Amino acid sequence: DSGVTQTPKHLITATGQRVTLRCSPRSGDLSVYWYQQSLDQGLQFLIHYYNGEERAKGNILERFSAQQFPDLHSELNLSSLELGDSALYFCASSQGADTQYFGPGTRLTVL
Amino acid sequence: QQQVKQSPQSLIVQKGGISIINCAYENTAFDYFPWYQQFPGKGPALLIAIRPDVSEKKEGRFTISFNKSAKQFSLHIMDSQPGDSATYFCAASYNYGQNFVFGPGTRLSVLP
Repeated sequence: DSGVTQTPKHLITATGQRVTLRCSPRSGDLSVYWYQQSLDQGLQFLIHYYNGEERAKGNILERFSAQQFPDLHSELNLSSLELGDSALYFCASSQGADTQYFGPGTRLTVL
Repeated sequence: QQQVKQSPQSLIVQKGGISIINCAYENTAFDYFPWYQQFPGKGPALLIAIRPDVSEKKEGRFTISFNKSAKQFSLHIMDSQPGDSATYFCAASYNYGQNFVFGPGTRLSVLP
């Protein structure tokens, strides 16, 4: 158990819909990273927040957005969902440098 | 320059053999090189990591070899076991973790 929690574990929705994925980092970790992992694909970095501020953006679509709240939990919002958005979404936390601890992921299925 | 290349894409090893996975990078600003292990349906977990001031780091059956001049690093798994069957990702970062790049992964299968 990494100490990072993600909810929900599974999410099934339809095309065009909007969903919110939630991540609670390890106690004391200020950084939250979001990744997308499609079937048989590597980890695609989406976005990084540090103590509430956006620090880096990766291959994140304009339909996707994220935020980190004062209590340090983070939410990833995915809108106008397409079939290709079906994937595992991981968040990871760290103390701001080096080692990232990954959550168990949210499996999103878009029908 | 932000890419980390990883090979092979898949690897089959007999139980007790040595598994070797290689990674290469271009950006000389990278200063932290971790390896992650991921089992199906689970999140990646840190296995072992190295900084460029050392050429080798060993933890149990897992060893990272680092060649700064060649900008390459590799993971060696000694006495590979069926329980090691997983996907392995190399990664690199700099600037206190703000820039984290993962390799595409290697699927390792260890045959009993």
